[in-house]
Amino acid sequence: GAGVSQTPSNKVTEKGKYVELRCDPISGHTALYWYRQSLGQGPEFLIYFQGTGAADDSGLPNDRFFAVRPEGSVSTLKIQRTERGDSAVYLCASSSFDRGLYNEQFFGPGTRLTVL
Amino acid sequence: ELKVEQNPLFLSMQEGKNYTIYCNYSTTSDRLYWYRQDPGKSLESLFVLLSNGAVKQEGRLMASLDTKARLSTLHITAAVHDLSATYFCAVDANFGNEKLTFGTGTRLTIIP
Repeated sequence: GAGVSQTPSNKVTEKGKYVELRCDPISGHTALYWYRQSLGQGPEFLIYFQGTGAADDSGLPNDRFFAVRPEGSVSTLKIQRTERGDSAVYLCASSSFDRGLYNEQFFGPGTRLTVL
Repeated sequence: ELKVEQNPLFLSMQEGKNYTIYCNYSTTSDRLYWYRQDPGKSLESLFVLLSNGAVKQEGRLMASLDTKARLSTLHITAAVHDLSATYFCAVDANFGNEKLTFGTGTRLTIIP
């Protein structure tokens, strides 16, 4: 079956611009996660959705970052007034969340964002 | 704040040798995950360890979990070139919070 997909695969933008990154989770997965991976580092949590609602957005670095998942499937990560420090690979993951059991997350290929 | 540390950060080993990667974490958890990442690629799930004493094996890789010591190991047996990659462990804090906290990664290079 299809895995997690992300578009675009690469995005180059100028400082100060607005960008949107899209994630299509595995069909039927209710939980969706966004992570950010800087070069040479492990992924860092940004935000977690259960259905349409953001269950935990504690990892969003500041109010320039926002994410939505209006129909409980596709999610969009939005970054306003991009800064050079936002350059990273943005990873999306999904899981068939079941409280009390384990939570194996399946990752998409990522979007490499470069802010010039 | 949950911290996850891996060592070594870099590992070069010869084909055919055995080695172990260590993952320490700072808070109570009984759910630990190992992922593999090839250069420029995303993360591939390797193992899910769910309880103290859990051991899982797949091919030349074996992972174990000691929740009392807050330690997981990934053991490589008779390494082959195809195992060259970066390996991450990740911990689920298990307080109803589903986010994963990742270690720094171990970049493994297998030398012929």
